[in-house]
Amino acid sequence: DAGITQSPRHKVTETGTPVTLRCHQTENHRYMYWYRQDPGHGLRLIHYSYGVKDTDKGEVSDGYSVSRSKTEDFLLTLESATSSQTSVYFCATVGQGGPCGTEAFFGQGTRLTVV
Amino acid sequence: DAKTTQPNSMESNEEEPVHLPCNHSTISGTDYIHWYRQLPSQGPEYVIHGLTSNVNNRMASLAIAEDRKSSTLILHRATLRDAAVYYCVVCNTGNQFYFGTGTSLTVIP
Repeated sequence: DAGITQSPRHKVTETGTPVTLRCHQTENHRYMYWYRQDPGHGLRLIHYSYGVKDTDKGEVSDGYSVSRSKTEDFLLTLESATSSQTSVYFCATVGQGGPCGTEAFFGQGTRLTVV
Repeated sequence: DAKTTQPNSMESNEEEPVHLPCNHSTISGTDYIHWYRQLPSQGPEYVIHGLTSNVNNRMASLAIAEDRKSSTLILHRATLRDAAVYYCVVCNTGNQFYFGTGTSLTVIP
């Protein structure tokens, strides 16, 4: 394991409230990713980071923002949660040397329910 | 961006080889092919990856077609612990991993 901790592991929130999910890693990995997983869609990339304060959008970034102020933490924020954002969220990290040429490590996931 | 297509489900008898196919016809020349598997209520776990040549590791083998438009993950002897959803993933030069919808593998004792 790459020492990835996601918090919280479960959360229920109301529509319209802001929500922040945290991904913490202890391996000093450069690359970090946020995915969401929904039935029939596999994992879809929300945002990713290739270094401190360097982030970019993935394929389903609308309604989400991210921040990475230090190497070990990558935060995902839902500014105003909607029911369509009910999902399981996974964080992933990749070490040095470029993400494609080495393995990615995934956290245990955060199950978010928006009611 | 390269997309992947996989069968929804497959079955295998225990201790027999399993060949899990994946199509990625829009892959670019520098995109890597990765495979991950996921057990219920867990995050995906790395299995294997490659670029052009076939690859072997302790878990599996990856056979990549010469034109790179498809690949096959090979589990040499399926065990009950190999029952999982297997994802074929393309990693591009933009540092992004794109997952397919996965193949649910059932291993029959």
